[in-house]
Parts: sequence; structure tokens; C-alpha cells
Amino acid sequence: EAQVTQNPRYLITVTGKKLTVTCSQNMNHEYMSWYRQDPGLGLRQIYYSMNVEVTDKGDVPEGYKVSRKEKRNFPLILESPSPNQTSLYFCASSSGTGPTYEQYFGPGTRLTVT
Amino acid sequence: AQSVAQPEDQVNVAEGNPLTVKCTYSVSGNPYLFWYVQYPNRGLQFLLKYITGDNLVKGSYGFEAEFNKSQTSFHLKKPSALVSDSALYFCAVKQRGSYIPTFGRGTSLIVHP
Repeated sequence: EAQVTQNPRYLITVTGKKLTVTCSQNMNHEYMSWYRQDPGLGLRQIYYSMNVEVTDKGDVPEGYKVSRKEKRNFPLILESPSPNQTSLYFCASSSGTGPTYEQYFGPGTRLTVT
Repeated sequence: AQSVAQPEDQVNVAEGNPLTVKCTYSVSGNPYLFWYVQYPNRGLQFLLKYITGDNLVKGSYGFEAEFNKSQTSFHLKKPSALVSDSALYFCAVKQRGSYIPTFGRGTSLIVHP
């Protein structure tokens, strides 16, 4: 089954404790991205990657890091989480890098930072 | 710069009635427009998109959307709503050369039995 998977689905952590949210897709997609979803704000893109070793900032990159060492994986790293990073996070992928391609989303990771 | 607005936080409709979820956009040049649906505790699912051509776009689950360039709108429609259509709907836009889509805030659709 073609899908985007994320782990963990739920995570509660404390301020300053480094964490990684994994994302993997099995569709051989070039483009991958991370979003956060907050009430009343919709989805905002954190980082995106157009291919292996090619990443760039989205609209809200502060406090986050990413890497793309393999085509299928795109982990999101929070080196020193803060309470304002409490949110619902989605990973997404698409088969092309241009603006006409739709995205396929993972199930989401709900992160709480206390 | 690109932007998108969904003017209604919530839309209520009775089952069997037609539904409309509104979206307006602002881009430089031609827009690429998308609708996604999010069911509770799930990720977003792609419904349909407008790239070019026919202004009426048909998508999944009986949904369609009409692109109106003069009104800069891309409203989502369905002739007969189902209770199972109740979900959160997001409109998104990209402009030529953009790798970052802009999403609206979402509209909660509630279909009453």
C-alpha cells in the first residue's frame, strides 16, 4: 500500500529534551515536506526537500532541523523543544517538485512539550 | 506573495442538500489550486486540483470545484451532502515557481442527518 508513515503518533516531552519524528514514504517521491497544524492557523510548512541532500526552509523553520540522506526518509529534529512547538505535525510527499503536484500526507504526530 | 482565505470557519448543511465551501486566493500570475479533506485523527487527503483548462474540476467522493478567475475563487461543491462528508476542508494555492503551498485556515463542514 502506498503510504506516508510517521512515528511516533503521540509524544509528550519536556522542554529542552532533543527529539526526532521520523517520516518515511514508499512511493519513490522526490518531494517531501513537514507541516505543523495549529487551531485557527491552518497548515504551515516548516521545511521541504526536493531530493536527497536538498532541503530548504518553509514558512516557519525556526527551532527545527531536517535531513534527507535517503529518498524515502525525511526526519524532523527538534534539538531543544519549547512549549510553543506543541502542535500537530504532518509529513507529506509528492511525486514531483513543481507547483502542480498534489501532496500525500502522513497520519500526523501530536507533540506536547511541557 | 500568495495567500488564500476560507471565510467560513464552519458550514452546516442538511444531508441531501447541496454544499459549498468557499475559498478565495491571491497570487502573482496563474494559480494552482487544491482542495484537501481531513477526517478526525487522520492526515489530509487530496480531493481535487485546478491547474489549467476547464473551470469545473471533478474530484474524489463526488466533489467538484469551480475556478473563477475574475472573482479569484475556487469554491468546493457537492450536489448532495452525506453525513460522512463531515470533516475539515482545506484550500491551498501555489503560484508559478513556488515550492511552498499556502493553506487556508480550514472550514469545518458539518452535515446533519
